[in-house]
Amino acid sequence: AQKVTQAQTEISVVEKEDVTLDCVYETRDTTYYLFWYKQPPSGELVFLIRRNSFDEQNEISGRYSWNFQKSTSSFNFTITASQVVDSAVYFCALSEEVGETSGSRLTFGEGTQLTVNP
Amino acid sequence: DTEVTQTPKHLVMGMTNKKSLKCEQHMGHRAMYWYKQKAKKPPELMFVYSYEKLSINESVPSRFSPECPNSSLLNLHLHALQPEDSALYLCASSQGGRAYEQYFGPGTRLTVT
Repeated sequence: AQKVTQAQTEISVVEKEDVTLDCVYETRDTTYYLFWYKQPPSGELVFLIRRNSFDEQNEISGRYSWNFQKSTSSFNFTITASQVVDSAVYFCALSEEVGETSGSRLTFGEGTQLTVNP
Repeated sequence: DTEVTQTPKHLVMGMTNKKSLKCEQHMGHRAMYWYKQKAKKPPELMFVYSYEKLSINESVPSRFSPECPNSSLLNLHLHALQPEDSALYLCASSQGGRAYEQYFGPGTRLTVT
């Protein structure tokens, strides 16, 4: 069975601080896919990034960066120079195929509530 | 365009009512999903449709009845719900299997009285 652990339930920072959200996963698959989603108070889950298991390059997108380490089964997310608009719940997720048809099942972590204070 | 739309945004219904939630995507995605999310919890998968056919039902009570009229539309029919069914209901779509991200709609916040 797959599992995603986000040990940080809540994080509070002051604007312009850097913050890292941790994600640790468990899977028996040799090929797998990891995702990060952002859920602001409005409720919609916003897709941020997808990472496959055979590409260990870290990725940067503006103030966001992701550190994928297969050796420690971790896929951490760093926000540099945080802003109030970054306040949201962030979910890390691992996907698995559902049978032979298309579609997938996402195993989510419990989420990390990030609050950025002005 | 990566938009998934859902209507209504909010719904209040009594336990004897029948209502429907609607979801639409125009990204040509082959898979569509219904999730239920309670406060301070991650989304829980309810149903998966693949090529307009139900491929996964995560042991959801029969008072929730999904329907996929065509490749762009997904409905969730509600009947005789319980107060504990109050939650945020999210629709999502994806191109296909596990390699593809799911795109979520804004959700319907359902309150059962």
